Amino acid sequence: DTGVSQDPRHKITKRGQNVTFRCDPISEHNRLYWYRQTLGQGPEFLTYFQNEAQLEKSRLLSDRFSAERPKGSFSTLEIQRTEQGDSAMYLCASSLGSGPLGETQYFGPGTRLLVL
Amino acid sequence: AQSVTQPDIHITVSEGASLELRCNYSYGATPYLFWYVQSPGQGLQLLLKYFSGDTLVQGIKGFEAEFKRSQSSFNLRKPSVHWSDAAEYFCAVGSLTGGGNKLTFGTGTQLKVEL
Repeated sequence: DTGVSQDPRHKITKRGQNVTFRCDPISEHNRLYWYRQTLGQGPEFLTYFQNEAQLEKSRLLSDRFSAERPKGSFSTLEIQRTEQGDSAMYLCASSLGSGPLGETQYFGPGTRLLVL
Repeated sequence: AQSVTQPDIHITVSEGASLELRCNYSYGATPYLFWYVQSPGQGLQLLLKYFSGDTLVQGIKGFEAEFKRSQSSFNLRKPSVHWSDAAEYFCAVGSLTGGGNKLTFGTGTQLKVEL
């Protein structure tokens, strides 16, 4: 068990550029979540995958955001035309879930994005 | 909608002293409750969780939490704090979403430990 990994750990970009983050979940975890954490706040839910299907998206996820999880393994989160308000820590979590009961989510170290 | 309140933004305790971090939640059904800790440059690490059963939950690093339904609380405690416990602590409630469980976090409590 190598844990959840995220790449890159830090990203600095200029406003208007596109960025893409990658998350590699714990092997065999079928559920994958993305959260965003701004300074002084707790993480906020963005989106959720069960295997390769994206089953829930928060209203926080504007049209400029897109997430994928091809083949139910790693996931990518892309932000198009970045804005300064997108500056945040983007966290990925994975879990092994079967049914509606609560499960434990394991978090990666996050990708810190700074938009200049 | 579910929500979590952590009333204390910052707490300072002396090493060896006891600790209690407060957490109040709002959720219409039986809550799934979690405490996570976040150190600088680190991801969120799960300390403990409550799904059902015994309302006093034991976690890692000597932490425990007590679920009190009547008070909608899930306070985190540790009898003797170590300097390495300095970090930010987040309480979270899990809710069903599309078959999964999204977490709603509080704003966190920053713990400082004085030597």
